[in-house]
Parts: sequence; C-alpha cells; structure tokens
Amino acid sequence: DAKTTQPNSMESNEEEPVHLPCNHSTISGTDYIHWYRQLPSQGPEYVIHGLTSNVNNRMASLAIAEDRKSSTLILHRATLRDAAVYYCILRIYNQGGKLIFGQGTELSVKP
Amino acid sequence: DTAVSQTPKYLVTQMGNDKSIKCEQNLGHDTMYWYKQDSKKFLKIMFSYNNKELIINETVPNRFSPKSPDKAHLNLHINSLELGDSAVYFCASSQEASGNLEQFFGPGTRLTVL
Repeated sequence: DAKTTQPNSMESNEEEPVHLPCNHSTISGTDYIHWYRQLPSQGPEYVIHGLTSNVNNRMASLAIAEDRKSSTLILHRATLRDAAVYYCILRIYNQGGKLIFGQGTELSVKP
Repeated sequence: DTAVSQTPKYLVTQMGNDKSIKCEQNLGHDTMYWYKQDSKKFLKIMFSYNNKELIINETVPNRFSPKSPDKAHLNLHINSLELGDSAVYFCASSQEASGNLEQFFGPGTRLTVL
C-alpha cells in the first residue's frame, strides 16, 4: 500500500492560513491524493482530492508538487472548528475504493 | 437528515458474547465500508461491499461477518468477542467503489469488551 508521511502535530492561530504538508515519494501515476479530517469524537470527513493539478473547494485548497511526491493542504483562514486530525491518503484507482489511513496531523487552533 | 447512521452509538459487553452493529445510508450509494479505529486512533479498512457483494476483506478474523441485506444497509456481526475487539467502528459509503468519489462516514460505534 502506498504510504504518506505527515507531521504528527501542528499549531495555528485563529484566522491565519495553515499549510499542512504531506510527503508521498512512492506515489504512482494512477494514485489520487485525498485529504480527510476527523474532528473530535466524529467520523472522518472528506476535505479535497486531486491528481496532478492544484484544486480548490469551499473547504480548502490542495497544492500538488510538480513531481507529485508531495502535496500541501491549505486552510485559508483557520477557525477553532478546524481543530482536527488531518489525513493525507493515496487512493489507488480501482482498488475497491478503500482508504489507507496513516497517522495524520493533529491540528490545534489557538484563539 | 443523517446521511450515514449507525446503531448503537455505544456498546458495552462481556468477552465471548455475540453482538451486531447496524449501518444505514440514505444517499443512494452503491458501496459501503466498515473501518475500525483502535485505541491509538489508527483507522483501518475492514470490509467493502458493492451492490450487496463483498469486494474487500482485509484479513479480518472469521468472527467478523458483515451482512448486506440491501444496498442501503451493511451490518457487522461479531461472534465470540475478545478484549482486542474494543474499538470505534465506522461505517462509510460512496457512490461507487472504482471512482474517486468521496466517502461519507457515520458517527461511529464505540465497542467496549470487558
């Protein structure tokens, strides 16, 4: 299974941007990069995904390196509600849809 | 409206008992999953069903038997519960298995085996 590496924890101040890095040096051409987050005592929640180009949605932006060996999830203005564990996942197309979760990055947001 | 629901939310039971966790999705999705999150917060896929057929079984012990009576339901039955089965179990669904569509997770069922 393709692996990702993320920092165990990060801190941010409220209303400031947050850049959450992820390394995936073993990524192959058909692997999509997915991000999920898990708020305390809740199930994981989809954030964003991409293949090669940068992606934006209402929750976040995903910046993918040109060689695809790393990516960064960008929260443009962190709120207290964004405090969660963020998971970077490589999802192999046509592998039954399973998500392989790593340890994730625990993001804390200070007021 | 709850998209993916699980019952019960909490389950406390003795070793050796048999228990079931139910999952229902009202999203019209074809694919459903069970994940297990252990005490170290590590999330791992257990099973995946597509249109009521098993497509993923991640070397889960035979004591765990998923059952999908229809596309909207995927229940998890566990026989002869062991201490190591204590975890939070999450059900999820997606439109289909082969695409890159997002998965929607339920709120989880916290199972405690005494």
